[in-house]
Amino acid sequence: AQSVTQPDIHITVSEGASLELRCNYSYGATPYLFWYVQSPGQGLQLLLKYFSGDTLVQGIKGFEAEFKRSQSSFNLRKPSVHWSDAAEYFCAAVLIQGAQKLVFGQGTRLTINP
Amino acid sequence: DGGITQSPKYLFRKEGQNVTLSCEQNLNHDAMYWYRQDPGQGLRLIYYSQIVNDFQKGDIAEGYSVSREKKESFPLTVTSAQKNPTAFYLCASSIPQYNEQFFGPGTRLTVL
Repeated sequence: AQSVTQPDIHITVSEGASLELRCNYSYGATPYLFWYVQSPGQGLQLLLKYFSGDTLVQGIKGFEAEFKRSQSSFNLRKPSVHWSDAAEYFCAAVLIQGAQKLVFGQGTRLTINP
Repeated sequence: DGGITQSPKYLFRKEGQNVTLSCEQNLNHDAMYWYRQDPGQGLRLIYYSQIVNDFQKGDIAEGYSVSREKKESFPLTVTSAQKNPTAFYLCASSIPQYNEQFFGPGTRLTVL
């Protein structure tokens, strides 16, 4: 079945530390990939996206993600987190060309220690 | 500014009543979506519409209904048949080529 998996339900890092949130997908071809962030009680904001080309994509708020075809992964990274990065992060994908639906991962909740 | 608006932000209803959640977009997107989000869970697709006067059921359509009479509007009705309607509801619209979705601020529905 087509799916997007975020293995970590909850991650805690210290302010200033580096961050990596994992995302894996199951599908044969190259999907369209997205990372969204959600603050409590708010909608989702798009951080970055990958359609084709350069496998390292830059997003807003200092985030980046790398598409690795061999590992079916699209991990989100940030070199140094800020307290304001505390939120829920969702990975999502269009797994079939022309598909009308996004497939979402279950989300990773990020907590920042001062 | 272009965007998606959802109203109201908070909604309270008595059990057994139907309630309609509003979603409006001025992004000129053809496609619109409704999702349900429960605490600690991801997003589940309720209904989506690719074009005016057409819509399809998502993964959890039972107990919900929608209409798409205008490109800008995609209201969701939570009917009395929905067994557990208390949740956070998110509306989205998308660019059709890559299905890049843009989200509204959400409506939190509480059924008393």
